[in-house]
Amino acid sequence: GESVGLHLPTLSVQEGDNSIINCAYSNSASDYFIWYKQESGKGPQFIIDIRSNMDKRQGQRVTVLLNKTVKHLSLQIAATQPGDSAVYFCAENTRGGSNYKLTFGKGTLLTVNP
Amino acid sequence: GAGVSQSPSNKVTEKGKDVELRCDPISGHTALYWYRQSLGQGLEFLIYFQGNSAPDKSGLPSDRFSAERTGGSVSTLTIQRTQQEDSAVYLCASSLKGESGTQYFGPGTRLLVL
Repeated sequence: GESVGLHLPTLSVQEGDNSIINCAYSNSASDYFIWYKQESGKGPQFIIDIRSNMDKRQGQRVTVLLNKTVKHLSLQIAATQPGDSAVYFCAENTRGGSNYKLTFGKGTLLTVNP
Repeated sequence: GAGVSQSPSNKVTEKGKDVELRCDPISGHTALYWYRQSLGQGLEFLIYFQGNSAPDKSGLPSDRFSAERTGGSVSTLTIQRTQQEDSAVYLCASSLKGESGTQYFGPGTRLLVL
């Protein structure tokens, strides 16, 4: 079946450095991808999304890159701050009805060292 | 405006007892999702509701799990005869109809079955 997974389960960076979190997906039919951030004790928070007709999208301090050829997704966080410490999940679209049903990866724990 | 709310925030129960978990979606959101998150794992889809359509129950792990959504708003997830393996965080999310994929999550209910 379809699956979304992450290359690195943990990532530790120094404050101010750039972070890159990677994700691989297996369903070539997926056309929509999202990154979520989950802080301890909280629900996932939407960060940024990208559709399959794009290969790059930028937000505030974050950039998502999509490589459909190798089915790879990455989240880049510029000038990482302690508040960025969290688990980051990628999710892919599995169509269902008139709204999307998301399949999530297991997550990457990002730790930012001051 | 208020986000997605869930209650209780924590629930400890004994094996074999029934539990009810509640979700209040964002006002105006017609789509509602339930997920389960086990320790150190990603989110496992359970069920989703879209307006008055029949819910997609394809993710429910057993017939001990059921969910209702009354009046197109509040939803209740019921787990009957709880087992220790049901221990997890149960997350609810909602989204606007037609707004693909941007699901807004509640803080979750942490269920512990002893």
